[in-house]
Amino acid sequence: AQSVTQLDSHVSVSEGTPVLLRCNYSSSYSPSLFWYVQHPNKGLQLLLKYTSAATLVKGINGFEAEFKKSETSFHLTKPSAHMSDAAEYFCVVSDLEGTYKYIFGTGTRLKVLA
Amino acid sequence: EAGVAQSPRYKIIEKRQSVAFWCNPISGHATLYWYQQILGQGPKLLIQFQNNGVVDDSQLPKDRFSAERLKGVDSTLKIQPAKLEDSAVYLCASSLVRDEQYFGPGTRLTVT
Repeated sequence: AQSVTQLDSHVSVSEGTPVLLRCNYSSSYSPSLFWYVQHPNKGLQLLLKYTSAATLVKGINGFEAEFKKSETSFHLTKPSAHMSDAAEYFCVVSDLEGTYKYIFGTGTRLKVLA
Repeated sequence: EAGVAQSPRYKIIEKRQSVAFWCNPISGHATLYWYQQILGQGPKLLIQFQNNGVVDDSQLPKDRFSAERLKGVDSTLKIQPAKLEDSAVYLCASSLVRDEQYFGPGTRLTVT
């Protein structure tokens, strides 16, 4: 069975400082992993995805994530936070073998302080 | 390219009433999903269609929820009768087969 754990429900950073949002996964298959962002009253937007190619994945808006199989982690990072990054972030695991069903984490709310 | 469209954006109903949501996926996307997102939680899959057929509806409360996808394009999700615990955002997403999902803006349902 697949599952995903987002280790922090809330993260606060100052503008211009690095962002780290943590995600651990469990999967019986070779997983696909995604990070989505959700701004208030908006739909989910794909930030980046990992599908068994390069382990360091670069996404939009300066975000990147590293797939570490030995640690079953897929943490999201950004070198310098911007006020517009304040939002809810979801880590998602899916399998390549079955229905490609998404399993969502519970989300991390990122707050960016001026 | 147009994104996933949903309507209405907001709906307020009383318990025991019925409600319907509409979704128009991205053109050419064979797979369509409906999710329920309760405040403070991640989205939960209700039903997945591939073209006209249902792939997964294991978490759909079938005594009150129904969904259809006519002609493999648009889809409607219906709740009848609604309960207070159905208050949530209902998200529609679409994808090519075995590819990332694209989400619509959602419908926020409040049941009073």
